[in-house]
Amino acid sequence: DQQVKQNSPSLSVQEGRISILNCDYTNSMFDYFLWYKKYPAEGPTFLISISSIKDKNEDGRFTVFLNKSAKHLSLHIVPSQPGDSAVYFCAASSFTGTASKLTFGTGTRLQVTL
Amino acid sequence: EAQVTQNPRYLITVTGKKLTVTCSQNMNHEYMSWYRQDPGLGLRQIYYSMNVEVTDKGDVPEGYKVSRKEKRNFPLILESPSPNQTSLYFCASSSLAGETQYFGPGTRLLVL
Repeated sequence: DQQVKQNSPSLSVQEGRISILNCDYTNSMFDYFLWYKKYPAEGPTFLISISSIKDKNEDGRFTVFLNKSAKHLSLHIVPSQPGDSAVYFCAASSFTGTASKLTFGTGTRLQVTL
Repeated sequence: EAQVTQNPRYLITVTGKKLTVTCSQNMNHEYMSWYRQDPGLGLRQIYYSMNVEVTDKGDVPEGYKVSRKEKRNFPLILESPSPNQTSLYFCASSSLAGETQYFGPGTRLLVL
């Protein structure tokens, strides 16, 4: 049962345009959401996060939007650059009583073309 | 430099031959975790540890063991590897469970 879903395995965007990566979740207990970026042969690196008490968080070219009623979050990258080409993982956190646990989506491969 | 290190980075082994993948972090983090990444399945948690001598199962713990004798180290042990454990493994650490986790570079394992 995939509690965090990224339905688009890949996305291609032209340099300078907006990239929008989507993520849906099913568990209403999730209260913190993160995006990680992964280059080949490297571990995932943290990109941006958002708490469930907010609906938007911005960091430079990266903005994450959270729609709790729809259980949907999205990552916007504006403008997209070739160096943004990577796999992006959405992750959600919930407190289990003893620890918080991260649940990851399957990832979206973003390719930014010239 | 703050980092999570894993060794080895690449490993080819045969079914049934015990192996250990080491993980070490230099950030004094309490929380450490192991994940495996498989095509179409994303990152799935194998085991995690809240602190020294405190470990617990994640989503896919079968066939794996861990130990946390020191705060900085969290080795992953495969007592009798099988081909379905062929995967890309990541170790991660954080100061608080669920907060931003820092990942190691990964260990690619092939079990023949």
